[in-house]
Amino acid sequence: DAGVTQSPTHLIKTRGQHVTLRCSPISGHKSVSWYQQVLGQGPQFIFQYYEKEERGRGNFPDRFSARQFPNYSSELNVNALLLGDSALYLCASSRHGREPYEQYFGPGTRLTVT
Amino acid sequence: QQQVKQSPQSLIVQKGGISIINCAYENTAFDYFPWYQQFPGKGPALLIAIRPDVSEKKEGRFTISFNKSAKQFSLHIMDSQPGDSATYFCAAGTGNNRKLIWGLGTSLAVNP
Repeated sequence: DAGVTQSPTHLIKTRGQHVTLRCSPISGHKSVSWYQQVLGQGPQFIFQYYEKEERGRGNFPDRFSARQFPNYSSELNVNALLLGDSALYLCASSRHGREPYEQYFGPGTRLTVT
Repeated sequence: QQQVKQSPQSLIVQKGGISIINCAYENTAFDYFPWYQQFPGKGPALLIAIRPDVSEKKEGRFTISFNKSAKQFSLHIMDSQPGDSATYFCAAGTGNNRKLIWGLGTSLAVNP
């Protein structure tokens, strides 16, 4: 089975612009989480979605939003980009069941804001 | 507030040696403790995970030791290989929201 896929791989945006990142979970996984990883640090939790509903939100401003589609894929949107939004954005999928925490990560989208 | 503290920040081990990375947590509600391996330019990959009702879990060359009373857990990599050179993250989770709190990472270099 294919793993978690994310697109695009790399992205360069200018301050103030908007960006949309996409994620497709592992087949059979219904939960998607988004993380931001700044260079040299661990991932920071942004959102978690299950069955198209937001189930968790991290300490990020309202400029960050997300949604999950009926096929369980997900989008992360960031408005009014700041230089500090430059990071690797990771998507993780997991099952809903006995081991809810086994999260499997995609390769990430490297966002550079200039 | 760093809820999961990881050490050391970097580690150099000779091939065949044992790599040991330690993590400490504060929130006693955490009930899931995974370790992830990350290579440059890649997403983290789940290595091994443990629940607090078990003191040790072994999978191949990787072992997690868990000390609930001390609120500490560690990753041991036996017979370390150059291919193990990567950044390792510990994390902790609680509840059903699947939110993981991560350590800052340990950069491991295994010399041939």
